[in-house]
Amino acid sequence: DVKVTQSSRYLVKRTGEKVFLECVQDMDHENMFWYRQDPGLGLRLIYFSYDVKMKEKGDIPEGYSVSREKKERFSLILESASTNQTSMYLCASSRTGTPIFYEQYFGPGTRLTVT
Amino acid sequence: QKEVEQNSGPLSVPEGAIASLNCTYSDRGSQSFFWYRQYSGKSPELIMSIYSNGDKEDGRFTAQLNKASQYVSLLIRDSQPSDSATYLCAVNQQSNYQLIWGAGTKLIIKP
Repeated sequence: DVKVTQSSRYLVKRTGEKVFLECVQDMDHENMFWYRQDPGLGLRLIYFSYDVKMKEKGDIPEGYSVSREKKERFSLILESASTNQTSMYLCASSRTGTPIFYEQYFGPGTRLTVT
Repeated sequence: QKEVEQNSGPLSVPEGAIASLNCTYSDRGSQSFFWYRQYSGKSPELIMSIYSNGDKEDGRFTAQLNKASQYVSLLIRDSQPSDSATYLCAVNQQSNYQLIWGAGTKLIIKP
C-alpha cells in the first residue's frame, strides 16, 4: 500500500512567518506534488517534482518554494505567510510513466491557518 | 484555460439506487481520466481510472468515457451510506503533464 505522510494535520502561523510543510512517501515514487484545496475550487497545483532536486511550477507557485533533497521527501515552503495562504495543503506522489504518472496518491493533508 | 466541469450538487440518492455523476472537459487532447473520492475532512482517494472510450467496471463502480462528446461519468450501483462523499473528476492536460481538477460533486446517500 502506498503511504504518503505529512508533517502536521493542523498548523496555525502568523502573517510574515516562514512556514515549512513536509511530505514523505514510502513507495519509491519518482514524482511528488503539492496542491492546495479551497472551498468551491478544484485542486490547484503549486509545484511538482519528477526527480531529486528537480521541480516544475504549477498553476499557482507565487509565494511558495519547494525542496527535494531526497527521493522520498518533498517540502513546501511559504517564504512569508499571508492570510490568503490559509488553505488545505495536499501532498501527492506517483510513479513515472504514462498514464500512471497521473494516478496520484495523497497524504492526509495539512490545514494551515495564517492569522 | 482548460476546464473540467462538474455539478456541485448535492446529489441525493436513496440507498440501494444507482448514483450517476457526470463530468465534462474542454481539452480535446486529454487521454487519461480519473475519479477520486473525498470524504469530508479527508484527502482525495483514487477510485477509478479510464483511458479508452466505453465502460470500465470495478465492483459497484462503472466509469464511462465518451471522447467525442468530451464527457466522463461515474455510476455507483447499490449505493450505500458509506458512498456519501465528494467525487472529484480529474483529466490530464496534454500540454504540460498536469491534471485538471473539477470542483467536485457532493453525493448524499439517504438510508
